[in-house]
Amino acid sequence: DAGITQSPRHKVTETGTPVTLRCHQTENHRYMYWYRQDPGHGLRLIHYSYGVKDTDKGEVSDGYSVSRSKTEDFLLTLESATSSQTSVYFCAISEGYRGNEQFFGPGTRLTVL
Amino acid sequence: AQKVTQAQTEISVVEKEDVTLDCVYETRDTTYYLFWYKQPPSGELVFLIRRNSFDEQNEISGRYSWNFQKSTSSFNFTITASQVVDSAVYFCALSEYNDMRFGAGTRLTVKP
Repeated sequence: DAGITQSPRHKVTETGTPVTLRCHQTENHRYMYWYRQDPGHGLRLIHYSYGVKDTDKGEVSDGYSVSRSKTEDFLLTLESATSSQTSVYFCAISEGYRGNEQFFGPGTRLTVL
Repeated sequence: AQKVTQAQTEISVVEKEDVTLDCVYETRDTTYYLFWYKQPPSGELVFLIRRNSFDEQNEISGRYSWNFQKSTSSFNFTITASQVVDSAVYFCALSEYNDMRFGAGTRLTVKP
């Protein structure tokens, strides 16, 4: 199994509070991704990173920001959480781009009240 | 824009039945990659297979097989002699560049 951890695994927060989710990998893979999973939508890409300090937006990036200061860590921040951001968040990594399989972390269940 | 459609939201079968999960995709690119992932009740996502757009050979891995047909833009997944442990949500995905687009998933329930 790819060495990917996510923290926290579960979080309950209130509307308007900032939230940061962390993804940590031990595989030294260049690419890292954040997805959210919602019923009826599968997984949707929020942001991805193609190297340290190099990030780009995905399909559903509004309300989210990311940072990657080290190869192994990719942070997802909700500056001011809303109830629509209640979801399960998955981090993924891949060795290369365009066609490389992505390996997923265990997920973080976030509830915004 | 790329798009993946899994029209079957839920499928229920009895153990030992064969079952096919459908996946239809849309893309304007000539180079792309298709994937299947499994999400068991425990929640993790497990990679099953990758296929590039230039390789239309069908693939078989044990009880699993995949049928890729560019003419119909489909990448269907068949489980032969299903087992209870096959119960999961299965996602088909399409990758053109750095991102991956997932279908909504098909929930498969295999009853004993």
